[in-house]
Amino acid sequence: DIQMTQSPSYVSASVGDRVTITCRASQDISSWLVWFQQKPGRAPKLLIYAASSLQSGVPSRFSGSGSGTDFTLTISSLQPEDFATYYCQQAKNFPYTFGQGTKLQIK
Amino acid sequence: QVQLQESGPGLVKPSETLSLTCTVSGGSISSTSSYWGWIRQPPGKGLEWIGDVYYSGNTYYNPSLQSRVTISVDTSKNQFSLRFTSVTAADVAVYFCARRDNRGRNNWFDSWGQGILVTVSS
Repeated sequence: DIQMTQSPSYVSASVGDRVTITCRASQDISSWLVWFQQKPGRAPKLLIYAASSLQSGVPSRFSGSGSGTDFTLTISSLQPEDFATYYCQQAKNFPYTFGQGTKLQIK
Repeated sequence: QVQLQESGPGLVKPSETLSLTCTVSGGSISSTSSYWGWIRQPPGKGLEWIGDVYYSGNTYYNPSLQSRVTISVDTSKNQFSLRFTSVTAADVAVYFCARRDNRGRNNWFDSWGQGILVTVSS
């Protein structure tokens, strides 16, 4: 299985801050990487697909980059509604696997 | 965008079988550009992919769960189902159904149900 490791597991930030979350794959997954946002009691929401493509309807303050084994999700200017948990997921090979999550908390 | 809704019992006894159904609306489960999957999330923990099914009945399972899982599709009802045998406390989770977009080089879960919490207890 491809292992996905996110860092940090927790991040505290303020409204307006720029935040970067990283995701590392245990083997080359090219650009087969997606990012989800999940709020408590809700289903995950697709933010970024193919490592850097913004899903329709997602604000442009979200961006993704990377290829191979190292990826980043950046939120350019945090808004109150962005405080949530973020997950990466590799979509290259079965079984699909997720990172452990990064909880973005209000400072 | 399609909508998905999970249904089934929220309480299952240990060693028994968990059965859930996902109803798809706003689109056809027979779409050639979609796979239909199940993902679960234990309380306070991360996400685990269980498996996918295509409208033809082709399935893909997580090897760690494969011996206990069956995913099937009913195109006449626009539904797909999860069957999970011999459940234990380790299977307590919110179970999500989701659509995996398979158009061209796409390969991601872009529509999700709201999730259903399944508890295992006698």
